[in-house]
Amino acid sequence: AQSVTQLDSQVPVFEEAPVELRCNYSSSVSVYLFWYVQYPNQGLQLLLKYLSGSTLVKGINGFEAEFNKSQTSFHLRKPSVHISDTAEYFCAVSETSGSRLTFGEGTQLTVNP
Amino acid sequence: EPEVTQTPSHQVTQMGQEVILRCVPISNHLYFYWYRQILGQKVEFLVSFYNNEISEKSEIFDDQFSVERPDGSNFTLKIRSTKLEDSAMYFCASSVGGGDTQYFGPGTRLTVL
Repeated sequence: AQSVTQLDSQVPVFEEAPVELRCNYSSSVSVYLFWYVQYPNQGLQLLLKYLSGSTLVKGINGFEAEFNKSQTSFHLRKPSVHISDTAEYFCAVSETSGSRLTFGEGTQLTVNP
Repeated sequence: EPEVTQTPSHQVTQMGQEVILRCVPISNHLYFYWYRQILGQKVEFLVSFYNNEISEKSEIFDDQFSVERPDGSNFTLKIRSTKLEDSAMYFCASSVGGGDTQYFGPGTRLTVL
């Protein structure tokens, strides 16, 4: 079985500051990793994904994430956030051989002026 | 850009009634999923569907739930006799393959009174 832990439920930051949203996972097999974003009253939008290859992946809206197999982490980063980045961010994992996505609890990112 | 669509956006029903939630997956996708998100909680996997049959289901997906692909475009989730605890946002998703990126619809908010 796989699981995902997002270490911070809420992250408040000021505009133009850097941000890191932390995600750790647990699985007995190889996994694919994803970050999704959910804006208020909207569905889930894929930010970025790690399937294989380079451990640093870049996504939309200036976000990037680094896969660290030894630490079983997939932290999301952005060097300078905007007010519009305020949203809930979900880390998710799926086994390469299966299809079920297992989500973390989510991190509410609030960007203040 | 193709997207997953869901109808209705909001459904209100009385406890014990049957509801059908509808989804139109992306046209060339072969795998279909339902997830739910109870208010304030994480997104949870319900079921995946491939080649006209369930490929995986969670412990949440009991006999009250069923899925169907009644034609070449729609994918439905039926809850036979709704309970108060079924109140949640229900997301449909689709992917090309079983381990590929899942694209989510905007969700249907189900309120059971």
